[in-house]
Amino acid sequence: GQSLEQPSEVTAVEGAIVQINCTYQTSGFYGLSWYQQHDGGAPTFLSYNALDGLEETGRFSSFLSRSDSYGYLLLQELQMKDSASYFCAVTTDSWGKFQFGAGTQVVVTP
Amino acid sequence: GAGVSQSPSNKVTEKGKDVELRCDPISGHTALYWYRQSLGQGLEFLIYFQGNSAPDKSGLPSDRFSAERTGGSVSTLTIQRTQQEDSAVYLCASSLGDRTDTQYFGPGTRLTVL
Repeated sequence: GQSLEQPSEVTAVEGAIVQINCTYQTSGFYGLSWYQQHDGGAPTFLSYNALDGLEETGRFSSFLSRSDSYGYLLLQELQMKDSASYFCAVTTDSWGKFQFGAGTQVVVTP
Repeated sequence: GAGVSQSPSNKVTEKGKDVELRCDPISGHTALYWYRQSLGQGLEFLIYFQGNSAPDKSGLPSDRFSAERTGGSVSTLTIQRTQQEDSAVYLCASSLGDRTDTQYFGPGTRLTVL
């Protein structure tokens, strides 16, 4: 079967750095995406990795190692507004089918 | 420009009734996705469209679920003979159509089956 594993919850203080890991086992792999979802809101796109390495977008960075079937999202200089759920998602076929992980709830405390 | 819109925003129905959920994607987006999200859970893929075609319907939970897309734009997700376990938020997303493209999500339809 297909699976994406990520921690269920991470708690950190403002200004800290948080790393959310995602390991995947899927029938196909075309890329790894990360989405943020605030309570009651819709998911919004954060980043996409198709090739190995680190992608940096402001305070957020995403890493992929295809040989390890592993990626992570790095949140730096945490702010209260970063409290949300973060989902990793794998594109599993050439048409663009996505498989999402169960999400990681990030709680930022003062 | 307008984002993805969904209607209704909330739907309460009785067990056994049929419901129809609508998604209006961003203009020009050829790919359209339907997901289901239960409270506190991740996103469960249901179906996606490239244009009017649905290459993969394997995510539909049962034959009570069906979806169509006409004119490469609006899509409807129909649930027949609703059951209580169908209660969830149904999210629609669209993208330009390349698998690397960002998906833009609508606000969702919260379905409650009594």
